[in-house]
Amino acid sequence: DAGVIQSPRHEVTEMGQEVTLRCKPISGHDYLFWYRQTMMRGLELLIYFNNNVPIDDSGMPEDRFSAKMPNASFSTLKIQPSEPRDSAVYFCASSFAGGNEQYFGPGTRLTVT
Amino acid sequence: EDQVTQSPEALRLQEGESSSLNCSYTVSGLRGLFWYRQDPGKGPEFLFTLYSAGEEKEKERLKATLTKKESFLHITAPKPEDSATYLCAVQALMIKAAGNKLTFGGGTRVLVKP
Repeated sequence: DAGVIQSPRHEVTEMGQEVTLRCKPISGHDYLFWYRQTMMRGLELLIYFNNNVPIDDSGMPEDRFSAKMPNASFSTLKIQPSEPRDSAVYFCASSFAGGNEQYFGPGTRLTVT
Repeated sequence: EDQVTQSPEALRLQEGESSSLNCSYTVSGLRGLFWYRQDPGKGPEFLFTLYSAGEEKEKERLKATLTKKESFLHITAPKPEDSATYLCAVQALMIKAAGNKLTFGGGTRVLVKP
C-alpha cells in the first residue's frame, strides 16, 4: 500500500493567492482528517470526514478555509485568500471505520509570503 | 474541553540512558490514548493505543503505560535512531458515534547522543 498521499509537498505563495492542498487516503479507509502543525500551536485538527461527509469542522479557523471530499479517494483543503499566518505544515490522515489508528501522510509545507 | 500536556518539552539522552516521557490528560471519558513518533519532515507514525488504566504495551525499546490521569512512555537503553518527537493524543468517548477525533499534546523532542 502506498499510504496516504499528499500533494504538493511544498507550496510557496504570495498573500492573497488561492492555495489548494490535495490528499489521497489509504484505500478502504472511511475516515479522513485534515490537521495543521505549527511550532506555536502543535498539531490541530481542522476537519474530518466519514464516508465523504464532513462530520466536524469546528477546527477550521476562518471562512477562508474550506475542505471537500468528492469521493472516497480524494480530498482537498483550500485557502482563499491565503495569509502569512496560514504558513504551517498541513497533514492529511485516514483510518478505518471503528479502527482507531490514524495513518498520516507526509504533509504539505505551506509558506505564504 | 479535552486537554493533553506533555513533559518535558525536550530530552537529551546519552545512548543507553533510560528515561520516561509524561503525558497528562483531561478528558470527559477516555476511549483511547495514543502514542505517535514523528521524525523531522515526516508525518506522525502510530506506535501504541492504550484503552484502560493499568494497560501496558511494548515495542522494541519503548513501553507505554496508562493511569487514570496520565501515560508514560519509557525508553529503555535508547539508541540514536530513537531520536524523534513523541506525540501523545487522546480520543474521548462521545455520545454520538462521531468517529475518531484525536486531541494531541505538544510533544517531547528526544535526542539520543552516541
